[in-house]
Amino acid sequence: SQTIHQWPATLVQPVGSPLSLECTVEGTSNPNLYWYRQAAGRGLQLLFYSVGIGQISSEVPQNLSASRPQDRQFILSSKKLLLSDSGFYLCALTVSGANVLTFGAGSRLTVL
Amino acid sequence: AQSVTQPDIHITVSEGASLELRCNYSYGATPYLFWYVQSPGQGLQLLLKYFSGDTLVQGIKGFEAEFKRSQSSFNLRKPSVHWSDAAEYFCAVLDTSYGKLTFGQGTILTVHP
Repeated sequence: SQTIHQWPATLVQPVGSPLSLECTVEGTSNPNLYWYRQAAGRGLQLLFYSVGIGQISSEVPQNLSASRPQDRQFILSSKKLLLSDSGFYLCALTVSGANVLTFGAGSRLTVL
Repeated sequence: AQSVTQPDIHITVSEGASLELRCNYSYGATPYLFWYVQSPGQGLQLLLKYFSGDTLVQGIKGFEAEFKRSQSSFNLRKPSVHWSDAAEYFCAVLDTSYGKLTFGQGTILTVHP
């Protein structure tokens, strides 16, 4: 079965600093990968999804970006964090034909 | 575009009582529907899903959900709640074109002893 690793699990960063959250996948090849953000009281918001290496689709305009340098690696980045970037970031995957999203344990980001 | 509404932000029940969490969806085609559960500080775990067939689906941990097309609903139920069921519950609908899930805002379940 597939496993998703996210790190760091917890991160506290000052406003204006850069960000890199990493997601790696085991147990499958060529998954669709997703970044969701969960802010307090706002449910889960899809930020980016990727159907393959170097292929990124953005769902909402923001100061975050995503990259997929390898088949099983998905990175969420920012050059300058905003207070509003605080939240719980979840990486997820689907495998071809399965139509079920599997989530990682998440990374909690606090921007001060 | 698809959407999901969970009308109840917070529900409190007593241990042993029955539970129903409401979910209404909007989707142009036959929906693929899901319920996920999230314990504090954790990722989401799939409870159950509906793709087609029997409209009453069984999930893990004793949960079930019923798909009602006429009401655009997919309510989650459990006959007897345990204290360990306290968590946040999310209903979701899948856009099969891209494999993207749209989530409801979530319902926080508190269980009193």
